[in-house]
Amino acid sequence: AQSVTQLGSHVSVSEGALVLLRCNYSSSVPPYLFWYVQYPNQGLQLLPKYTSAATLVKGINGFEAEFKKSETSFHLTKPSAHMSDAAEYFCAVRFQGGKLIFGQGTELSVKP
Amino acid sequence: ETGVTQTPRHLVMGMTNKKSLKCEQHLGHNAMYWYKQSAKKPLELMFVYNFKEQTENNSVPSRFSPECPNSSHLFLHLHTLQPEDSALYLCASSPETNPSTDTQYFGPGTRLTVL
Repeated sequence: AQSVTQLGSHVSVSEGALVLLRCNYSSSVPPYLFWYVQYPNQGLQLLPKYTSAATLVKGINGFEAEFKKSETSFHLTKPSAHMSDAAEYFCAVRFQGGKLIFGQGTELSVKP
Repeated sequence: ETGVTQTPRHLVMGMTNKKSLKCEQHLGHNAMYWYKQSAKKPLELMFVYNFKEQTENNSVPSRFSPECPNSSHLFLHLHTLQPEDSALYLCASSPETNPSTDTQYFGPGTRLTVL
């Protein structure tokens, strides 16, 4: 079955530390992959999007995501966390011919 | 400025009320979507409209009735809702529903509370 899994419903990092949010999908065919961020009381904003043009894609606010076919992963990273990065992050996957499926979300908190 | 606006931002209604949620996109897109976001659950796709035609209804109860009068506007009419319908309702738009080009842009959502 096609699915998307985000490992860790909550991640806490210190300001200035590396941010790593994990996303794995299950599919035999590489899908289209997205990361969205949702700040409190706001809608979703698109971060990186993978469409097979490049395996490492850059998004807004210093985030980037790397597609690894061998690991069926699309993890989101940022070298140095900022307090303003505190939000909920959703990985979403669109499989061939299918609808957009969202992971359950990872809440990122940043400690001063 | 996301280009997708939703009104109202917050709504409290009783189970016997009738209300409507409005979504408007200023991006020139042809596809629009309604999602439901409940606490601790993944986003659930409710309806999809492409060029004003409904192309997807994911077994949504009939107490939710969508309307898409044109490619820029999408409504969600609500009647006789249940407390479990309380959630954040998100509208999104995309150029079209072609998977190779689809990137969805979201509005800020309407926080609905059913008493």
